[in-house]
Amino acid sequence: DQQVKQNSPSLSVQEGRISILNCDYTNSMFDYFLWYKKYPAEGPTFLISISSIKDKNEDGRFTVFLNKSAKHLSLHIVPSQPGDSAVYFCAASDPAQGGSEKLVFGKGTKLTVNP
Amino acid sequence: KAGVTQTPRYLIKTRGQQVTLSCSPISGHRSVSWYQQTPGQGLQFLFEYFSETQRNKGNFPGRFSGRQFSNSRSEMNVSTLELGDSALYLCASRYLAGGPNEQFFGPGTRLTVL
Repeated sequence: DQQVKQNSPSLSVQEGRISILNCDYTNSMFDYFLWYKKYPAEGPTFLISISSIKDKNEDGRFTVFLNKSAKHLSLHIVPSQPGDSAVYFCAASDPAQGGSEKLVFGKGTKLTVNP
Repeated sequence: KAGVTQTPRYLIKTRGQQVTLSCSPISGHRSVSWYQQTPGQGLQFLFEYFSETQRNKGNFPGRFSGRQFSNSRSEMNVSTLELGDSALYLCASRYLAGGPNEQFFGPGTRLTVL
């Protein structure tokens, strides 16, 4: 049962345009959401996060939107640059007892930004 | 500040063997988590350690185990290796054990089981 879903395995956009990556989740207990970027042969790199009590968080060219009623979040990259080409993972924090937390990941969306 | 380091970066083993992977967290980070990444299942949580105690465990068989030392370094062990254990094993550290905060990942150890 996949609790975090990224339904688009790939996305291709032109340099300078907006990239929109989408993510859906099913578990209403998730309290924190994160986006990671991953290049081949490297570990995921943290990009941006959002708490479940907010609906938007912005950091430079990256903005994450959260729609709790729809259990949907999206990552907007404006303007897109060729260096943004990577696999993007959506992750949700599943709080557990004792203050531990685990991240539940989507399967990723491969973004290609064409010059 | 140095990032999360993992050793070795690549490993080839045969079925039935066991393997130990090592992770050194970012200085000051006391929580270490392990994840398995495969093409079919994506990134899946294995376990989290804080102050040398396992605080959370994912849905993996008992062949997968780990530990954390007093300096926060962590090791994970896989015994009786199976072909399906071939994967990228990622370690992540974070500063706090409680509350939401970002996890920082190492480059991973690529394990191939023949």
